[in-house]
Amino acid sequence: TQLLEQSPQFLSIQEGENLTVYCNSSSVFSSLQWYRQEPGEGPVLLVTVVTGGEVKKLKRLTFQFGDARKDSSLHITAAQPGDTGLYLCAGAAGANNLFFGTGTRLTVIP
Amino acid sequence: NAGVTQTPKFQVLKTGQSMTLQCAQDMNHEYMSWYRQDPGMGLRLIHYSVGAGITDQGEVPNGYNVSRSTTEDFPLRLLSAAPSQTSVYFCASNTLNTEAFFGQGTRLTVV
Repeated sequence: TQLLEQSPQFLSIQEGENLTVYCNSSSVFSSLQWYRQEPGEGPVLLVTVVTGGEVKKLKRLTFQFGDARKDSSLHITAAQPGDTGLYLCAGAAGANNLFFGTGTRLTVIP
Repeated sequence: NAGVTQTPKFQVLKTGQSMTLQCAQDMNHEYMSWYRQDPGMGLRLIHYSVGAGITDQGEVPNGYNVSRSTTEDFPLRLLSAAPSQTSVYFCASNTLNTEAFFGQGTRLTVV
C-alpha cells in the first residue's frame, strides 16, 4: 500500500491569511494530482505536477512537487471563503493507478 | 457531456438487504474505481477495474462485489448491508495515471 499522508487534517483560518498543506509519502510517484471537493460534490482536479521540483501556480494557489517525487505541498495566499473545502492529493504509480491521500479539510472564516 | 453518472443519489437500506449502486461513464476510460468516504475523511478504495472483464480489490473490499462487463458500466453490489457500510460512495473513471473524473456520489444509510 502506497500511503499518502496529508497534514494538517483540519485547518481553520481567517480570510486573508496564508496557509500550506502537505502531502507526504515514502513512495515515489510518477506524478501527483491535487483535487478540491466541495460539500455534496465529487472531487475536482486542480492541478497535476509531473517533474521533481516542479512548481505550478493557479491564481492564489501554488503547488510544488518534491525533488524526489515523494511529497508535495499546496500553498494558498490570502485565503478566501471560496477556498473552503476538502483538499486531496493523489499519487500516480504505474499500473496501480491513483492513490488518494487522507485529505485536509480547510475552513476559511470571513 | 455526461461524464460519470451515479445512481441513486440517496438510499436507505435495512440491515441485511442487498442493493446495487450504478456507475456509468461516457468517456471511454479504461480505469474505473469505487471509493467510500466517511465523515471528515478522505477516499478509501473499495474495488477498481483496469478494463472490461478485469476487476481487483482495493483497500476495503469486504462486503462489496463488482463486475465490469462493458467499458461504460461498473456497478457496485452490497451483498448484505451493515450499519458500518453507511457512507458516501463515489465512482470515478480515468485513463491510467491521468485526471480522475468523479460522479456526484451516492449517500447510503444502513439502519
